[in-house]
Amino acid sequence: NAGVMQNPRHLVRRRGQEARLRCSPMKGHSHVYWYRQLPEEGLKFMVYLQKENIIDESGMPKERFSAEFPKEGPSILRIQQVVRGDSAAYFCASSRDGNQPQHFGDGTRLSIL
Amino acid sequence: KQEVTQIPAALSVPEGENLVLNCSFTDSAIYNLQWFRQDPGKGLTSLLLIQSSQREQTSGRLNASLDKSSGRSTLYIAASQPGDSATYLCAVRPGGGYALNFGKGTSLLVTP
Repeated sequence: NAGVMQNPRHLVRRRGQEARLRCSPMKGHSHVYWYRQLPEEGLKFMVYLQKENIIDESGMPKERFSAEFPKEGPSILRIQQVVRGDSAAYFCASSRDGNQPQHFGDGTRLSIL
Repeated sequence: KQEVTQIPAALSVPEGENLVLNCSFTDSAIYNLQWFRQDPGKGLTSLLLIQSSQREQTSGRLNASLDKSSGRSTLYIAASQPGDSATYLCAVRPGGGYALNFGKGTSLLVTP
């Protein structure tokens, strides 16, 4: 019974490029959450999605960041025109519904050159 | 806005010691509180989840308590082992919300 799967595990981009991070929730889970962990900081909530819907994106930066969770396929966190300050670990979590505990993936470590 | 603080930021103890990690939060209107373990370069492993109506939860050598009125939780680790070395994170889910609010963690080193 696979857990939350994130890929890639490590991603290196140059400034100005695009980064696409993928998250496949646990089987039977239709709720996905993205968190970001900056160096020396705690995890911060970014966005909460259900299939084909963004429920809460209050933690997303206003520009360059977007997220989707299509009917088929993984959830995608997209960062356009990356800057050095985007370097962080990005974690995805999933739950069966909004009241159930969130299960976390191993994260994607994004490094910007 | 919920603020979660963990003390100490780092802790080093010899193997076999019992230890306590502390977590405090500013808004007592919580849905639940969860303790996680994070190993370097890895994801988060849930250790214990305490619902707002509960006072404590136990799993093996771990015991977590919750005092909602004072905004505090403790994670007690009995008979520590080198394999317990990791960062321990406290996360609070607000009442009526779903976004977890994390502390910065306590980095634990248990020496043989």
